[in-house]
Amino acid sequence: AQSVTQPDIHITVSEGASLELRCNYSYGATPYLFWYVQSPGQGLQLLLKYFSGDTLVQGIKGFEAEFKRSQSSFNLRKPSVHWSDAAEYFCAVLDWGATNKLIFGTGTLLAVQP
Amino acid sequence: GAVVSQHPSWVICKSGTSVKIECRSLDFQATTMFWYRQFPKQSLMLMATSNEGSKATYEQGVEKDKFLINHASLTLSTLTVTSAHPEDSSFYICSARSGQGTDTQYFGPGTRLTVL
Repeated sequence: AQSVTQPDIHITVSEGASLELRCNYSYGATPYLFWYVQSPGQGLQLLLKYFSGDTLVQGIKGFEAEFKRSQSSFNLRKPSVHWSDAAEYFCAVLDWGATNKLIFGTGTLLAVQP
Repeated sequence: GAVVSQHPSWVICKSGTSVKIECRSLDFQATTMFWYRQFPKQSLMLMATSNEGSKATYEQGVEKDKFLINHASLTLSTLTVTSAHPEDSSFYICSARSGQGTDTQYFGPGTRLTVL
């Protein structure tokens, strides 16, 4: 069955430090992968997505993610974290079928300390 | 980007009553809308998928008679929690998509339901 695993439930980084959030997927075919961010009181916002082509994907707010098929991973990175990046981050894979639905990981809560 | 709204943002109701939550796509036509449920510190669990003018497709384990979904127009879907119980208390999130599977889903801000 298709699934997404985010091994880190909670991560704390210092402002200005680099960030990497891990995501592993299990999918039989070529995966369509997404990263969303959820801030309190706001809906999930799409950071970036990977369908095909260049395995390094650039997104909004300075985020990027790299698709590695050999490792079944799609890790999210940012070179310098800002306090406003504190939020919950979800990785998702598109499950092709009758409804073409997203399957989400359990999320990683990012805290940013001064 | 496209905007999806939900109303109300939070609601408190008594056990046994029904609650309706609206999801609207404000600046695009949503051929497909999704309803999710999110428990504290957990991921989003898809409840059902609805296409405009069609019956909703419910995920396994979701009671279709309890969670009524209507997608009457290309900009509006509603979720009605019937005969609500305290265990139905949760955060309900909708999303909308304008086209096919690879098109971006845009999410609403969510509705916090508390059943007393």
